[in-house]
Amino acid sequence: DVVMTQTPPSLSVAIGQSVSISCKSSQSLVYSDGKTYLHWLLQSPGRSPKRLIYQVSNLGSGVPDRFSGTGSQKDFTLKISRVEAEDLGVYYCAQTTHFPFTFGSGTKLEIK
Amino acid sequence: AVQLVESGGGLVQPKESLKISCAASGFTFSNAAMYWVRQAPGKGLEWVARIRTKPNNYATYYADSVKGRFTISRDDSKSMVYLQMDNLKTEDTAMYYCTAAGSFDYWGQGVMVTVSS
Repeated sequence: DVVMTQTPPSLSVAIGQSVSISCKSSQSLVYSDGKTYLHWLLQSPGRSPKRLIYQVSNLGSGVPDRFSGTGSQKDFTLKISRVEAEDLGVYYCAQTTHFPFTFGSGTKLEIK
Repeated sequence: AVQLVESGGGLVQPKESLKISCAASGFTFSNAAMYWVRQAPGKGLEWVARIRTKPNNYATYYADSVKGRFTISRDDSKSMVYLQMDNLKTEDTAMYYCTAAGSFDYWGQGVMVTVSS
């Protein structure tokens, strides 16, 4: 199975600051079609997950452009610029390139 | 607006069966791969099952932890997806989410399944 390693496990930031979350996979996430199926999700407290970014860098519908995703092969990063209070929660990376699909263990973002 | 509404959860004893359902609306259901993802209390997300579309022969895929015990199915005429869970174990206790499309585009609110004697 592809292991997704997220760091840090938690972080605390002030409103307006920027933050980055890392996600590293144990195998390349490039599929045979040339696309990379690495996605980012946010689970706000008490809510179901919401997809933020798909295929590394594509912003989901309605997601603020403060969120951005970069990376390739096995190394990916989610950046949140100008953090807002509504950004708190647990961020997960997920891969749908290889079966079984797997998720990172999550990064909990707290607001100072 | 897209909606996924799960139902059918509850408390069951080990080795019993349960079938949970997900009603979809707001998108072309027949064109979308559907998934079940679960989350044990206080834990992270675990992918459970996937079912593809009719052109892909409704192919199904399962996590090793549920293979042989769980069955995913769909009814495109009703925009419904199901998860039949047999021989349930205490470790299957979790919130079960229905999700749609290739990159977990849409999520339901979840349904709780508790397996306990």
